[in-house]
Amino acid sequence: EIVLTQSPGTLSLSPGESATLSCRASQSVTSRYLAWYQQKPGQAPRLLMYVASNRASGIPDRFSGSGSGTDFTLTISRLEPEDFAVYYCQQYSSSPWTFGQGTKVEIK
Amino acid sequence: EVQLVESGGGLVQPGGSLRLSCAASGFTFDDYAMHWVRQAPGKGLEWVSGISWKTGNTAYAGSVKGRFTISRDNAKNSLYLQMNSLRAEDTALYYCAKDICSYTGCDFFDYWGQGTLVTVSS
Repeated sequence: EIVLTQSPGTLSLSPGESATLSCRASQSVTSRYLAWYQQKPGQAPRLLMYVASNRASGIPDRFSGSGSGTDFTLTISRLEPEDFAVYYCQQYSSSPWTFGQGTKVEIK
Repeated sequence: EVQLVESGGGLVQPGGSLRLSCAASGFTFDDYAMHWVRQAPGKGLEWVSGISWKTGNTAYAGSVKGRFTISRDNAKNSLYLQMNSLRAEDTALYYCAKDICSYTGCDFFDYWGQGTLVTVSS
């Protein structure tokens, strides 16, 4: 099973700043089959990115993804108030599909 | 508009059983693989099980294999999860999630329900 480790656990930032979230896999994620989700309190997760760097429908371009192999990054430039949430990465290259433990982006 | 509405959660004793349902609308249900993903209180996400669009091929996380059974009724646009031999560690909010890709499936999820809470406790 591929274990995904996200860092940092919590990111304290101010609106307008940029956020860099890391997702590291225990083995290579083939074909860059990695997705990112955003989850706000009391809500279901929302798909942000897939194949590491493709934005899902309706996702603003301040969200970007990069990486390959075992190291992936989600970058949020110019944080908006609605971006403060928990972010999860998920690999879908090898069953069982697994998620990282999440990174919380909180208002400083 | 895609809608996924879960039901069937509740309080059950360890060793007991529960059947979750997910009613789908707003898309051609039998064209898509479907999944269950759970989230323990205050914890992260865990993929539980998935089922293919028509052949009914299934897959499970190791933590539930042999205890949970996923199924679907395409005529009723419904997804199910039969949970047996429940344990305290199965306590979670269970989400129904739609695969983003039709037919073959891609195993990541573009629509989620609001979840149904399962509590396993004596």
